Amino acid sequence: KQEVTQIPAALSVPEGENLVLNCSFTDSAIYNLQWFRQDPGKGLTSLLLIQSSQREQTSGRLNASLDKSSGRSTLYIAASQPGDSATYLCAVNDYKLSFGAGTTVTVRA
Amino acid sequence: DAGVTQSPTHLIKTRGQQVTLRCSPKSGHDTVSWYQQALGQGPQFIFQYYEEEERQRGNFPDRFSGHQFPNYSSELNVNALLLGDSALYLCASSPSGGVSVVGTQYFGPGTRLLVL
Repeated sequence: KQEVTQIPAALSVPEGENLVLNCSFTDSAIYNLQWFRQDPGKGLTSLLLIQSSQREQTSGRLNASLDKSSGRSTLYIAASQPGDSATYLCAVNDYKLSFGAGTTVTVRA
Repeated sequence: DAGVTQSPTHLIKTRGQQVTLRCSPKSGHDTVSWYQQALGQGPQFIFQYYEEEERQRGNFPDRFSGHQFPNYSSELNVNALLLGDSALYLCASSPSGGVSVVGTQYFGPGTRLLVL
């Protein structure tokens, strides 16, 4: 059974600091990995998708890496802003999406 | 493109009742997945529908059932509701190929179900 873990569970940083969010998974037989953002009480917004054959994916201030062999992915958010405050979820696709519990980020102005 | 839509947005039921939640996928998508998200947790996979058939199922009891219509929209039915069924129910759509889809899964805003 796929287990996905996200560390830390919560993070509070001042505006402008870079964010590093970690995700680990137990079974490396995945098709891809997605990072999502979730605002309180809302649905999920896809941020980045990394195919299993890729090592990295970038979109604006966001960069995600994937090391499938070690079962790890990291989401970097550069120069954080208060609008980045949300819960960030990673999910691995091994015929279905298996999610971690998320990292709740607070960016202080 | 309206994206993935779900109805209703909120719902309150009592224990033992039955509920039906609805989902319309993003235009061009034919695969629909349902997830349950309890407070403070990540979403848990319930099942996936493709070509009007349940193709994959997560670890949920038979009280959870679904249906997909020819226009690709989908329903999630939950019978004999328990207090523990209170959660945000999310629907996600993806383009043809669901299982090994290489593209992004798009999520709707969810239906928040409260069971009293």
